[in-house]
Amino acid sequence: AQSVTQLGSHVSVSEGALVLLRCNYSSSVPPYLFWYVQYPNQGLQLLLKYTSAATLVKGINGFEAEFKKSETSFHLTKPSAHMSDAAEYFCAVSEQAGTALIFGKGTTLSVSS
Amino acid sequence: GAVVSQHPSWVICKSGTSVKIECRSLDFQATTMFWYRQFPKQSLMLMATSNEGSKATYEQGVEKDKFLINHASLTLSTLTVTSAHPEDSSFYICSARDGSSGLYNEQFFGPGTRLTVL
Repeated sequence: AQSVTQLGSHVSVSEGALVLLRCNYSSSVPPYLFWYVQYPNQGLQLLLKYTSAATLVKGINGFEAEFKKSETSFHLTKPSAHMSDAAEYFCAVSEQAGTALIFGKGTTLSVSS
Repeated sequence: GAVVSQHPSWVICKSGTSVKIECRSLDFQATTMFWYRQFPKQSLMLMATSNEGSKATYEQGVEKDKFLINHASLTLSTLTVTSAHPEDSSFYICSARDGSSGLYNEQFFGPGTRLTVL
């Protein structure tokens, strides 16, 4: 069965610092992997997705993630945090194209000035 | 990009009443829609998968008689919470799959509906 583990429920960084949000997955087949961001009382916005093309995926707002099969990881990074990046981030996996997503528990990112 | 809307965005109802939430794909045809539920400070949990013109498939532990899902057209799915109780208070989010977008059919999420049952 597929699953997602997000290490660290809360990450705090200073503005301008590197952002690293961790995600490890479990899947019996090559997975589709996603990162979403959620602002308070809003739906989910797709940051980026991995669909078996390039292992380094670039997304919106300067975020990127690298798929590492050997480590079963798909960590999200951003070189320089901005105050507007403060939000809840979810990693998600699906084993088949277009099927429902299995979400991790989420990581709250706080950015201080 | 594809847009999914939900209505209402916020609803408060009395215990025992029923509430209908609409999920619409505005600029594409959604062959499949998914309904998720999110409790405060928690992740999204899949409730059911809805395919146009057929009965919804519910996840284990989700009462299909309580959470009625109808997907009568390629642009509209509805979730009706019947005889709502305070424990049904939650954030309900739908997503829609664009069946014509190529090899990978991406899902697009609605903005969510906050249900509060008094």
